[in-house]
Amino acid sequence: EAQLVESGGNLVQSGGSLRLSCVASGFSFRSHWMTWVRQAPGKGLEWVANINQDGSAIYYLDSVKGRFTISRDNAGYSLYLHMSSLRAEDTALYYCARLLRDASIFDSWGPGTLVTVSS
Amino acid sequence: DIQLTQSPSFLSASVGDRVIITCRASQGINTYLVWYQQKHGKAPKLLIDTASTLESGVPSRFSGSGSGTEFTLTISSLQPEDFATYYCQQRRNYPVTFGQGTRLEIK
Repeated sequence: EAQLVESGGNLVQSGGSLRLSCVASGFSFRSHWMTWVRQAPGKGLEWVANINQDGSAIYYLDSVKGRFTISRDNAGYSLYLHMSSLRAEDTALYYCARLLRDASIFDSWGPGTLVTVSS
Repeated sequence: DIQLTQSPSFLSASVGDRVIITCRASQGINTYLVWYQQKHGKAPKLLIDTASTLESGVPSRFSGSGSGTEFTLTISSLQPEDFATYYCQQRRNYPVTFGQGTRLEIK
């Protein structure tokens, strides 16, 4: 059974940086696209970024382009999200998830890690 | 960007009721529509992909239909464990977008 566990969330000041990690187990990590999706407190889901199996194809939400970087380490079964120039509106629970069949169908999710940006 | 609008945003229903949630897309997305269920404090769970394909392990009381710009999620007979928030999501184009959610509560 696929398992994903995020970490790295914290309280950070506006303009600061943070790196989120997601460790995968129970499936062939190198065979799947991966994603980050976030959810602001009491709000809906918002897609952040996708990365393909070898990191050669990456897509971002416009509002995070140039500030966030998604990356992966297949040998370490890990997905990352480096976030910089953080803003109050980036405050959210950040989920990593696995894509099904190379399509943006998110079939396994971690429990999330909370990022709080104080202004 | 493709906007998804769910209706209703809030729904109060009873165990055993048939419930229909609608998701409308701002432009045609063929059948590239996905449905998730999210219970309070938990990660979303994939229910249906490609508009009508039920994921393994999802009860058959859930069904999805639609294509183009209008889609529905139907729960044929509500069970206590179905009270949750439901989201639609399009995968036709980047950016991937979600509907605002439909919160389903017990009447």
